[in-house]
Amino acid sequence: SQQGEEDPQALSIQEGENATMNCSYKTSINNLQWYRQNSGRGLVHLILIRSNEREKHSGRLRVTLDTSKKSSSLLITASRAADTASYFCATNSGAGSYQLTFGKGTKLSVIP
Amino acid sequence: NAGVTQTPKFQVLKTGQSMTLQCAQDMNHNSMYWYRQDPGMGLRLIYYSASEGTTDKGEVPNGYNVSRLNKREFSLRLESAAPSQTSVYFCASSVITTGELFFGEGSRLTVL
Repeated sequence: SQQGEEDPQALSIQEGENATMNCSYKTSINNLQWYRQNSGRGLVHLILIRSNEREKHSGRLRVTLDTSKKSSSLLITASRAADTASYFCATNSGAGSYQLTFGKGTKLSVIP
Repeated sequence: NAGVTQTPKFQVLKTGQSMTLQCAQDMNHNSMYWYRQDPGMGLRLIYYSASEGTTDKGEVPNGYNVSRLNKREFSLRLESAAPSQTSVYFCASSVITTGELFFGEGSRLTVL
């Protein structure tokens, strides 16, 4: 069953704008990860945030985590056409499990 | 670095035929995974191997078998393919402590 659910399902923005995607999950987690998937390709890891962290940055990416609301957001600043892809959140529930449970993804289109 | 390599990239089977998807990683990772991706469903875990010599069922294991041949290789076998197994299959590996996954490029399987 899906643990993470991304919102919105699809997002279309102009180049240079910021893109925000949200992820909600149901059970307690050890960490939450974001991945990108370009069309027809494998997934690429973007960033990992642990349950005791609230915010993390990597280049133009900013991830926040609110464990009280069981939600996370991914912000891509100054978007580029090359950011066009699907973005997935994935949760690791810990407790000795190394399984990641993925959401259904947000499809981002950045229009040049 | 090759990373995670999957073969074949494309395969068409008839119902009832069998086949094996091969996966190899050159990153010395302990854990390996097989996921399937279907439109609108995100990624679902089929089987995983936390370490060499162990395998465990994921969310959707029915109709599949796996073999962790050695630390590098993890194969997925369909004994009697069914149309419901038409999907894109992804192999992944991870550094055991972080859960960050490294994915292959996918194997697109069609069962007629």
